[in-house]
Amino acid sequence: AQSVTQLDSHVSVSEGTPVLLRCNYSSSYSPSLFWYVQHPNKGLQLLLKYTSAATLVKGINGFEAEFKKSETSFHLTKPSAHMSDAAEYFCVVDNYGQNFVFGPGTRLSVLP
Amino acid sequence: DTAVSQTPKYLVTQMGNDKSIKCEQNLGHDTMYWYKQDSKKFLKIMFSYNNKELIINETVPNRFSPKSPDKAHLNLHINSLELGDSAVYFCASSQGGVAFFGQGTRLTVV
Repeated sequence: AQSVTQLDSHVSVSEGTPVLLRCNYSSSYSPSLFWYVQHPNKGLQLLLKYTSAATLVKGINGFEAEFKKSETSFHLTKPSAHMSDAAEYFCVVDNYGQNFVFGPGTRLSVLP
Repeated sequence: DTAVSQTPKYLVTQMGNDKSIKCEQNLGHDTMYWYKQDSKKFLKIMFSYNNKELIINETVPNRFSPKSPDKAHLNLHINSLELGDSAVYFCASSQGGVAFFGQGTRLTVV
């Protein structure tokens, strides 16, 4: 079965500094991968997706992620954090087209 | 218009009651899902429903039953509610390998 690991349960950055949220996946094939964001008491919003095209994927709100097959990683980055980025971030892998498997989430705090 | 909508957004009920959560998608997608998010924010698949084929997560108690009157709707019915059922339930739909989620229903069982 597919699985996802998010190495940090909580990441804290200062406003204006870079963001790095780490994700590793386990899959028997080259899967589709996603990052979703959940703001407090809100739903899940798709940030970006990787579906075997370009390995560097650009998403909304200045986020991007790089697929590295050799490292089985799909880390999410942003050059400069904004206060509005504070949220829960989920790395997600497609599960053989049947459903989507979520990582445990990383809570991003942005300090003024 | 909201792509995937769930009602109600909040639901507070007593143990032992039966309740339903409704989900509708206007994206024309073939596949719909129910996910449960626990108090630690962990999201787990409960059901997926594709072209009248229901795929059940075996860990879901049979008190939970999905009902799909048509392709655009997948409702979740829960019998004999228990305290442990308190969670946020998300409906989603997908096509072409990308999932779109509703805003969630926060269920509190007291």
